[in-house]
Amino acid sequence: EVQLVESGGGLVQPGGSLRLSCAASGFTFSTYWMSWVRQAPGKGLEWVATIRPDGGEKYYVDSVKGRFTISRDNAKSSVYLQMNSLRAEDTAVYYCARGIGRIVGATPHYGGFDSWGQGTLVTGSS
Amino acid sequence: DIVMTQSPLSLPVTPGEPASISCRSSQSLLNSNGYNCLDWYLQKPGQPPQLLIYLGSSRASGVPDRFSGSASGTDFTLKISRVEAEDVGVYYCMQGLQTPYIFGQGTKVEIK
Repeated sequence: EVQLVESGGGLVQPGGSLRLSCAASGFTFSTYWMSWVRQAPGKGLEWVATIRPDGGEKYYVDSVKGRFTISRDNAKSSVYLQMNSLRAEDTAVYYCARGIGRIVGATPHYGGFDSWGQGTLVTGSS
Repeated sequence: DIVMTQSPLSLPVTPGEPASISCRSSQSLLNSNGYNCLDWYLQKPGQPPQLLIYLGSSRASGVPDRFSGSASGTDFTLKISRVEAEDVGVYYCMQGLQTPYIFGQGTKVEIK
């Protein structure tokens, strides 16, 4: 069974930092893109960042570029989101998601965000 | 950035009746293999989102066959053949062709 378990959320003052972790199990982690998606209170879904299976390429939404860093440790089946210079507008539930695809052989296959964690709440407030 | 526009934003439904949600992208979502990089997600109350449809019309694992997705150019449709009470929640389309990946505004489906 695929499991994604986030941790590291909490209350942080504007300008502060936080590191989110996502522990994955139940699948071959090193063959999947991994992503973070957030949802502000009462709002819709917003993609935040994605990292390639080998960690060689990373993609970010403009609003977090230069402040957030996605990384992964394939030996630990974990993906991380380092969040610096946090703002009030970063307040959201942050979901770890498997996807946007995976590697089969040497070929990338699109599969959407096919598994999600329960989310961890980040509150940026003074 | 690609803009995704969903309609309606609210959809009262009757159990046993069909329902459909539309999503329009501001540009083609066709990838180099000729597939539309368009997904549909359902977020049930108090739960994380779940993938229903990917590549425009492929049902995700475990998704009931009453859910179907179709495409016509840049117009996409999610259909529920017979709504069940457990189908309530917010439905999102999302384009996965290029970053930034963009979700639609969401369609709230509730029982009449």
